[in-house]
Amino acid sequence: GENVEQHPSTLSVQEGDSAVIKCTYSDSASNYFPWYKQELGKGPQLIIDIRSNVGEKKDQRIAVTLNKTAKHFSLHITETQPEDSAVYFCAASPTGFQKLVFGTGTRLLVSP
Amino acid sequence: NAGVMQNPRHLVRRRGQEARLRCSPMKGHSHVYWYRQLPEEGLKFMVYLQKENIIDESGMPKERFSAEFPKEGPSILRIQQVVRGDSAAYFCASSQTATSTDTQYFGPGTRLTVL
Repeated sequence: GENVEQHPSTLSVQEGDSAVIKCTYSDSASNYFPWYKQELGKGPQLIIDIRSNVGEKKDQRIAVTLNKTAKHFSLHITETQPEDSAVYFCAASPTGFQKLVFGTGTRLLVSP
Repeated sequence: NAGVMQNPRHLVRRRGQEARLRCSPMKGHSHVYWYRQLPEEGLKFMVYLQKENIIDESGMPKERFSAEFPKEGPSILRIQQVVRGDSAAYFCASSQTATSTDTQYFGPGTRLTVL
């Protein structure tokens, strides 16, 4: 089955810096890759997603890139702000299955 | 705001009791998923349901756990004879279609504590 690995587990940056979180997946049939932000005591909130027919997607300060050949995808946050501090999860959805396989999460801390 | 709703938000049970977790999907969504999150870990898929049908329960423990999504009313995740290891956050998500590329929207979760 699908396995998703996520790095780093923790990431500390200064306000205004960029942050990059990377994930790799094992099942080449996976075709959907969402990223979720989870704040303390809350449910995961979708921030951006990418489907396998595109290589990059941007939404203001957030971008995701996908390399299907290497089976990895990354989240890029530019001009970080303290309110970006949270745990970020990547996930992959294998074709034919209606479930998400999550990475282990990255705790992002943005210091003012 | 017609987001995914879950109740209760917090649930405390003693070992051996039953826990019932409820989930109402987003308006217009008929596909429901349950995930479990242990402390400091990622979310693990448990079960996928459509109205009156369990489609995929490959992540559900074989004993004590069951799920349903009746024609009327919310989806229910039921844990019988709870043990301390069941303490976790349980999240429900819903989607509009059954395709693997459709977005899943999550509820706020139910945090179960077993004493």
